[in-house]
Amino acid sequence: AQSVSQHNHHVILSEAASLELGCNYSYGGTVNLFWYVQYPGQHLQLLLKYFSGDPLVKGIKGFEAEFIKSKFSFNLRKPSVQWSDTAEYFCAVKGAGNMLTFGGGTRLMVKP
Amino acid sequence: KAGVTQTPRYLIKTRGQQVTLSCSPISGHRSVSWYQQTPGQGLQFLFEYFSETQRNKGNFPGRFSGRQFSNSRSEMNVSTLELGDSALYLCASRMLPSVAQETQYFGPGTRLLVL
Repeated sequence: AQSVSQHNHHVILSEAASLELGCNYSYGGTVNLFWYVQYPGQHLQLLLKYFSGDPLVKGIKGFEAEFIKSKFSFNLRKPSVQWSDTAEYFCAVKGAGNMLTFGGGTRLMVKP
Repeated sequence: KAGVTQTPRYLIKTRGQQVTLSCSPISGHRSVSWYQQTPGQGLQFLFEYFSETQRNKGNFPGRFSGRQFSNSRSEMNVSTLELGDSALYLCASRMLPSVAQETQYFGPGTRLLVL
């Protein structure tokens, strides 16, 4: 069975700091990888996705993620965070069974 | 184009009752998935429907069931509610469950409180 692990449960940063959120998955086959964000009081929105090709994918709002197959990782990055990035971030993988498996989420708080 | 809509948005039930939640996918989307989100367990997959047929099912008891109608709208039902069923229930839709159309779009959820 596939699983997703997000190592950081809570992250607190000051504005303009750089962000990297870790995501590791366990699944030996071909995977599709996603990062979703849930802003306070809002529904889950897709930040970015990886299906194939260039392992460095760029998403909305300046976010990017790098797929490293050898490390089973898909870490999310942003060079300079803003207060408006305060949200919960979920990594998800789709492998066997065609269903999304989510990580536990990382709550990011950005201090103005 | 309207997004995924879910009704009701909030619901309070008591133990032992049953509940039905509704989801209308994005126009043209034929696949609907349901997820349960709780602080302790995070986001967990319940089931997916496509063309009125259940395609995948997560690890939930039989009290959780669903169906899909010919217009792609979906309902999920939870019978004999337990306190632990209190959660945010999310519906997600996608056009077709194929490689090229793998992005799921989520609705705002139905928050269920079981007393």
